[in-house]
Amino acid sequence: QQPVQSPQAVILREGEDAVINCSSSKALYSVHWYRQKHGEAPVFLMILLKGGEQKGHEKISASFNEKKQQSSLYLTASQLSYSGTYFCGTAQEANFGNEKLTFGTGTRLTIIP
Amino acid sequence: EPEVTQTPSHQVTQMGQEVILRCVPISNHLYFYWYRQILGQKVEFLVSFYNNEISEKSEIFDDQFSVERPDGSNFTLKIRSTKLEDSAMYFCASSEALPGIPAYEQYFGPGTRLTVT
Repeated sequence: QQPVQSPQAVILREGEDAVINCSSSKALYSVHWYRQKHGEAPVFLMILLKGGEQKGHEKISASFNEKKQQSSLYLTASQLSYSGTYFCGTAQEANFGNEKLTFGTGTRLTIIP
Repeated sequence: EPEVTQTPSHQVTQMGQEVILRCVPISNHLYFYWYRQILGQKVEFLVSFYNNEISEKSEIFDDQFSVERPDGSNFTLKIRSTKLEDSAMYFCASSEALPGIPAYEQYFGPGTRLTVT
């Protein structure tokens, strides 16, 4: 069963913050976050593992709450380049490279000047 | 920076025809994947491949689909008899694997847009 992402779409002004959530009905081992711009391939942002810490990447960070089976992606002081569709991909087991990812339906983020 | 490449970028075919989509994964990666994305929808897993055999496949990956690593660099997806509903963007991805590391990022190629008429 695919993870559920919320919100489905969000429009922000440059400099505002956003939170994107990814929830699963099943226990998760890892959550992978990707950003996809229109007509392009998904680009890897970060992985969060069960038992791991919150991760950060410049102004983009994420957390993973194993008990709630939920991950959240935080975008702070958003830039125009952050526009795109964000997908979470989830894996239920530690597959050591052989990740069969189940992707969520995506969150379309639009940043306006 | 190493990247996954795919050819062709766009393939138009008639229903019932066979198509082969080609991918060159990143050279030191050991796991290879195919995903598809129907226009406006989410990315869907098709198959993963390791050590010259299929590791996992989804229910989408039926007998009409096959994968092959014909040489040391290419990784192909064949659709034997295409249907209209096979129209989608097909992404190849690869990931490396080192002992003891439980999860890896997957690097996606630019995709092949398949249009079945």
